[in-house]
Amino acid sequence: DTAVSQTPKYLVTQMGNDKSIKCEQNLGHDTMYWYKQDSKKFLKIMFSYNNKELIINETVPNRFSPKSPDKAHLNLHINSLELGDSAVYFCASSQATPGVSNQPQHFGDGTRLSIL
Amino acid sequence: DQQVKQNSPSLSVQEGRISILNCDYTNSMFDYFLWYKKYPAEGPTFLISISSIKDKNEDGRFTVFLNKSAKHLSLHIVPSQPGDSAVYFCAGDYGGATNKLIFGTGTLLAVQP
Repeated sequence: DTAVSQTPKYLVTQMGNDKSIKCEQNLGHDTMYWYKQDSKKFLKIMFSYNNKELIINETVPNRFSPKSPDKAHLNLHINSLELGDSAVYFCASSQATPGVSNQPQHFGDGTRLSIL
Repeated sequence: DQQVKQNSPSLSVQEGRISILNCDYTNSMFDYFLWYKKYPAEGPTFLISISSIKDKNEDGRFTVFLNKSAKHLSLHIVPSQPGDSAVYFCAGDYGGATNKLIFGTGTLLAVQP
């Protein structure tokens, strides 16, 4: 049983297009995250939602918009894709209660986005 | 400004020997430190963590040591096995209201049979 699943696994598209990546977790966790791993393998937090409320929004361009229809889903929509958006995007979830540390995050297998 | 650094991009060890992966941090505000393991084409998986008020945590073959004065932590794997070959990420957890993780750039461990 997949705990955190992302679709699609691979996404190849043209510059300027709009695309979405979906994420679902079946762990009953309250918090979900999006990370970007760039070409230098640097894994960086983009967004976090706790019970459908945005709690982390790093300095990410407005072209990136997360949407959480319920606490089991956190989708990532990207408008006007640019070459620099090419990366692997990871979704994660945790039973994180704000203010309580050491709640390990469980990651999906990533979506490799390639912009032509 | 990279708050968590793993200065060794790769490490090669013989099977059965000890693997030592190192991590340095600059921010004293981290509440916990975590180690994640990542295989190709998979997401990172949680391995072991340590509170900032502890200096050692052990789980089977894996031990993490924290030296707060040096702002340094290390992961020891004894004995190393070929299945341990993966990229290992160190991360600092701020805790607080956000539980934000700051990752290092990873160390590729190759365990030779």
